[in-house]
Amino acid sequence: EAGVAQSPRYKIIEKRQSVAFWCNPISGHATLYWYQQILGQGPKLLIQFQNNGVVDDSQLPKDRFSAERLKGVDSTLKIQPAKLEDSAVYLCASSLRSGANSPLHFGNGTRLTVT
Amino acid sequence: KQEVTQIPAALSVPEGENLVLNCSFTDSAIYNLQWFRQDPGKGLTSLLLIQSSQREQTSGRLNASLDKSSGRSTLYIAASQPGDSATYLCAVVSAKTSYDKVIFGPGTSLSVIP
Repeated sequence: EAGVAQSPRYKIIEKRQSVAFWCNPISGHATLYWYQQILGQGPKLLIQFQNNGVVDDSQLPKDRFSAERLKGVDSTLKIQPAKLEDSAVYLCASSLRSGANSPLHFGNGTRLTVT
Repeated sequence: KQEVTQIPAALSVPEGENLVLNCSFTDSAIYNLQWFRQDPGKGLTSLLLIQSSQREQTSGRLNASLDKSSGRSTLYIAASQPGDSATYLCAVVSAKTSYDKVIFGPGTSLSVIP
């Protein structure tokens, strides 16, 4: 099966600019996660979708971050305006569905550098 | 609030040695525990998933155990190889939410020296 696809792989922007990341999960996976991973730390959940509904966005900085999952498949994560502390790797993951005891499958991530 | 810790933060061993990585969690109400591997510049790869009713899972040279009551899991790697060098992360899925809330530890960076 094809894995989780993410683009772009790298992005460099100046602070106060905007940026968008795209994720295509594994076909048939109902749950989609966006994580932020700062160097040397474990991933931190930003937002979690079940199909096209949000089930957890408690750690999403909603004044600057937004995400959507149209038609319960692809997802985009946007940052506007970016701050220096947003420099991190943004990981997308998907799993079959909640309660299925299925592992998470991750994409290779997007490395964002804010200058 | 569930917290996940991993000890040690970094580990360096000679090739061929058996080793144990540790994961601790504060709330025993979990649905499952997963171990992942992360290579530099890459995403995470799932290694093993242990359901809350299970005590251990094995895959090749990897064996993961779970003691839910004490809030601990270990990942045992037998006969380590340089290709095992990576960061290993554990994550728990909370049983207190209606959805799979996944909480990660900070990881253990492993170097296997030839």
